Amino acid sequence: GDSVTQMEGPVTLSEEAFLTINCTYTATGYPSLFWYVQYPGEGLQLLLKATKADDKGSNKGFEATYRKETTSFHLEKGSVQVSDSAVYFCALIEPYDKVIFGPGTSLSVIP
Amino acid sequence: GAVVSQHPSRVICKSGTSVKIECRSLDFQATTMFWYRQFPKKSLMLMATSNEGSKATYEQGVEKDKFLINHASLTLSTLTVTSAHPEDSSFYICSARGTDLSYEQYFGPGTRLTVT
Repeated sequence: GDSVTQMEGPVTLSEEAFLTINCTYTATGYPSLFWYVQYPGEGLQLLLKATKADDKGSNKGFEATYRKETTSFHLEKGSVQVSDSAVYFCALIEPYDKVIFGPGTSLSVIP
Repeated sequence: GAVVSQHPSRVICKSGTSVKIECRSLDFQATTMFWYRQFPKKSLMLMATSNEGSKATYEQGVEKDKFLINHASLTLSTLTVTSAHPEDSSFYICSARGTDLSYEQYFGPGTRLTVT
């Protein structure tokens, strides 16, 4: 079945550092790929998405490119801020199917 | 954008009682809603999928009689935790998918349940 793998962390970075969170997936069909963010004590917020190969999703300085050849959707940000501290979930959805989440990556950004 | 609400955001109940959690799609019609459970520092675990007007489909290992799901309208689904026990304490999150959204799901803010 479909699955998502991502580095679990925790990841600790200094403010303004470069962020990469790796995400790879296996899928039988043609899924859409998502990154969700969860701040402490809150629900999930959609951070960005890509619906087909080579699409790049971007939002709030975060980017991820849907790479079919490497089955990857790595999340990047050039300069992280303390406010980016949260848990990040990579996910995939096949059409009309349930969300498959990765295990989540905890990010702490220190001043 | 599509907004999903949950009520209550936090609830504390005594062991043996039942508690109902509501999930509402505020500005779109949700033919399908999903209920997740999240343990501390863990990913979301899908409990069940509910389609409006039909019985929910539960994931393996989820007790149907303990976690009652009702999706009576296109904007409301409810999860009732019956005869709650401390081990049912968790963060419950719902999501909703609209009639014309084959991929995207919109998540509610979650409900923190504590059973004492």
